[in-house]
Amino acid sequence: SAVISQKPSRDICQRGTSLTIQCQVDSQVTMMFWYRQQPGQSLTLIATANQGSEATYESGFVIDKFPISRPNLTFSTLTVSNMSPEDSSIYLCSVEMGAAFFGQGTRLTVV
Amino acid sequence: QKEVEQDPGPLSVPEGAIVSLNCTYSNSAFQYFMWYRQYSRKGPELLMYTYSSGNKEDGRFTAQVDKSSKYISLFIRDSQPSDSATYLCAMGYGGSQGNLIFGKGTKLSVKP
Repeated sequence: SAVISQKPSRDICQRGTSLTIQCQVDSQVTMMFWYRQQPGQSLTLIATANQGSEATYESGFVIDKFPISRPNLTFSTLTVSNMSPEDSSIYLCSVEMGAAFFGQGTRLTVV
Repeated sequence: QKEVEQDPGPLSVPEGAIVSLNCTYSNSAFQYFMWYRQYSRKGPELLMYTYSSGNKEDGRFTAQVDKSSKYISLFIRDSQPSDSATYLCAMGYGGSQGNLIFGKGTKLSVKP
């Protein structure tokens, strides 16, 4: 497994602003993933981030809304842009190391 | 029809009971199956991971996969109050084990 640290753990943001969530892993991993967990809903994959290439987005998610950076093999960021109350969710970083392991999540509330 | 269906519960049992948690799925291409436990305000924690049909046991936990019926189960023996959490099933296929389809989760409460 891996130790996955996410920052911030929670935030309350004004609508129309952007928030960048950081994910740090204690070992080098090829693939990192960003998920969203809306209240009462399944975890849903937003995008897959490989180092050195553009992130791959799932249906319903676009780069303009959720830009992702992957500057090295231990770090990634997800930005939630131009936020609305509908973006209030838990955002989770995940890495693949034989199976998928998750960070503690970032609980975002947009007011 | 969603790809993965999971009864959200809530499920309440007395301490020591055997708990059965279940998911059904529609996509026969799924190759690997996971169970995660998620405590309140925490990230999902991997409990069990299996590729094939049959049973896999780890301590008090047994994961069961029936690919012919597209049905997976997690059994918890001698349940403890510390098992109170939300249990998520997840499935995937292809080369990446990080690209998963999740059930909605079943909230379990084990009463002392």
